[in-house]
Amino acid sequence: KQEVTQIPAALSVPEGENLVLNCSFTDSAIYNLQWFRQDPGKGLTSLLLIQSSQREQTSGRLNASLDKSSGRSTLYIAASQPGDSATYLCAVRPHNQGGKLIFGQGTELSVKP
Amino acid sequence: EAGVAQSPRYKIIEKRQSVAFWCNPISGHATLYWYQQILGQGPKLLIQFQNNGVVDDSQLPKDRFSAERLKGVDSTLKIQPAKLEDSAVYLCASSLVKRVDEQYFGPGTRLTVT
Repeated sequence: KQEVTQIPAALSVPEGENLVLNCSFTDSAIYNLQWFRQDPGKGLTSLLLIQSSQREQTSGRLNASLDKSSGRSTLYIAASQPGDSATYLCAVRPHNQGGKLIFGQGTELSVKP
Repeated sequence: EAGVAQSPRYKIIEKRQSVAFWCNPISGHATLYWYQQILGQGPKLLIQFQNNGVVDDSQLPKDRFSAERLKGVDSTLKIQPAKLEDSAVYLCASSLVKRVDEQYFGPGTRLTVT
């Protein structure tokens, strides 16, 4: 059974700091991995999607890496801003399970001005 | 483009009562998902529809939860009777059939069972 774990559960940093969020999964049989952002009272927004054959994806100040063999992914946020404050969730899409996504529990990020 | 709409946004009920949630997906999205997100956890897929057929309902507690998608557009999720542990945010998402990796999420319905 696929399990996704995110560490840390919460993180508070001063504005401008670079930071790394971690995600691990137990079964390497995945199509892809996504990082989402969730703001209070709002739905999820996809940030980055990494296919199983890829090693990393970048979008602006965000960089996500994937090491499928070790079951790990990281989300790197450069020069953090208060607007980055949100909960970040990673999710894997397992093989042969349609569009089902299995999520980690999330990391709640707070960036202090 | 309008996003995924959900209503109500908040609902408070007592245990053993019934409740229903409504979702209107993005126009043209044939695939619709209901997720349950308990406080402090990530979303868990309850049921996935393609048009009005069920693709996956393996994690739906069928003794109390039911869902339908009439005419392959709007969907309702019902809980009857509710338990305290059903307190959660219920998220609806939709996607194109061939773009299941691009799921668009609604704002969710926050259910509190007292």
